[in-house]
Amino acid sequence: EVQLVESGGGLVKPGGSLRLSCAASGFAFSTYSMNWVRQAPGKGLEWVSSISSSSSYIYYADSVKGRFTISRDNAKNSLYLQMNSLRAEDTAVYYCGSKAAIDYWGQGTLVTVSS
Amino acid sequence: EIVLTQSPGTLSLSPGERGTLSCRASQSVTSNYLAWYQQKPGQAPRLLIYGASSRATGIPDRFSGSGSGTDFTLTITRLEPEDFAVYYCQQYGSSPYTFGQGTKLEIK
Repeated sequence: EVQLVESGGGLVKPGGSLRLSCAASGFAFSTYSMNWVRQAPGKGLEWVSSISSSSSYIYYADSVKGRFTISRDNAKNSLYLQMNSLRAEDTAVYYCGSKAAIDYWGQGTLVTVSS
Repeated sequence: EIVLTQSPGTLSLSPGERGTLSCRASQSVTSNYLAWYQQKPGQAPRLLIYGASSRATGIPDRFSGSGSGTDFTLTITRLEPEDFAVYYCQQYGSSPYTFGQGTKLEIK
């Protein structure tokens, strides 16, 4: 069974940092691109970042470029999102998802940026 | 950046009816890399269609996708009660991989 489990969310002050993790199991993690997608409360989906299977290609939304860093560890079947200089508008549920057309999604982890 | 505009914003239909949802791109979507997702309250999205017209694994055949270039359509024939949800399109052909704003399909 495919599982994606996010962790690392929580309450952080503006300007602070958080590191999200996504643990993958049940599929050949190292062969697929991975994504982070977020959803602010009551809003639509927003693509955040993608990373290719070997980390050769990395892309970011303009809204997070320069502040967020995506990475992966294929030996640990894990995906990460380092989030720095957090703003109130980064408050959202963050999902990890597999492949370009995202066929598997985690349950999401809530990040709240507030003083 | 490719902007995806979904219409209508809200679609009110009855079970058994046919639903037609539109997704229009501000420029041509590379290789028709266009996906459709369904999202219910409190749940993660679910992939329905990829490559504009290919159904994802386990998706009933009442869901179909069509279109190319800048105009795409998700059609749901014979709406079931569980189909009432929010639907999003996403292009994954060129970064940034943008989503549409969503169409809410509600029971009339």
